[in-house]
Amino acid sequence: AQTVTQSQPEMSVQEAETVTLSCTYDTSESDYYLFWYKQPPSRQMILVIRQEAYKQQNATENRFSVNFQKAAKSFSLKISDSQLGDAAMYFCAYRVNTGTASKLTFGTGTRLQVTL
Amino acid sequence: NAGVTQTPKFQVLKTGQSMTLQCAQDMNHNSMYWYRQDPGMGLRLIYYSASEGTTDKGEVPNGYNVSRLNKREFSLRLESAAPSQTSVYFCAASAGGGVVEETQYFGPGTRLLVL
Repeated sequence: AQTVTQSQPEMSVQEAETVTLSCTYDTSESDYYLFWYKQPPSRQMILVIRQEAYKQQNATENRFSVNFQKAAKSFSLKISDSQLGDAAMYFCAYRVNTGTASKLTFGTGTRLQVTL
Repeated sequence: NAGVTQTPKFQVLKTGQSMTLQCAQDMNHNSMYWYRQDPGMGLRLIYYSASEGTTDKGEVPNGYNVSRLNKREFSLRLESAAPSQTSVYFCAASAGGGVVEETQYFGPGTRLLVL
C-alpha cells in the first residue's frame, strides 16, 4: 500500500521569506502523480501544484515550486515570497496512474503560519 | 460554473439516526469520490465512483453506503450514525475515463457532528 508522510506538523515563516514543506512517499509504482493541496480556514481543498513522476523537470506555479527527488521518493514544496494568504494546512497527495478513477492517498498535513 | 457543491454544510445527528450527504458537480466529470477528514489524519477515501453506474470501496467504507444517481450526483448515506463518524466530509470529482493528467476538484465540505 502506498503511504505519504509529512513529518512537519507545523511550520512558521515570516512574510516575504521562503519556506519548504517536506513530503516523502512509499510506492513500488513507476508511473504516478504527486500533488500539493492547500486548505485554508474555509476548509476548501485547493490544488497548488502537480508533478508527474515521468517528468524530470520540477513543476513551478508562480511562487510555488517543488523539489521532486524520485529515487529518494521525496516531494517538497517551496513557497517563495510568503504572503499572509499562504497561511493554511498543506497536504501532500499521491496518485498512481491506473487509467481509471484516480484514488488519492494523502499525508497528514502541515500547518503553515505566516508572521509579519 | 459552481464546480463541486455539497449539502448540507453542517449537520448534527443523534446516534442511530440516518442521513444522506449530497454532492453534485457541473464539470461533466466521470469520476466522483467521498473522503472524510479527521484531526491529524488527513483525508481518507470512503467510496468512489469511477463512472456512472459503478461504485467501489475506498480505505474506510464501513458504516457508509453510496449511490451514483447520475453523472452529476453522488450521495453518501449513513444508515445508523455513530459518534466515530463525526468528521468533515468532502466530495471530489475528476475527469476519469483514462485521462492521464487528471486532477481531483473538491467541494466545500460537510461538517457532521454525531452526539
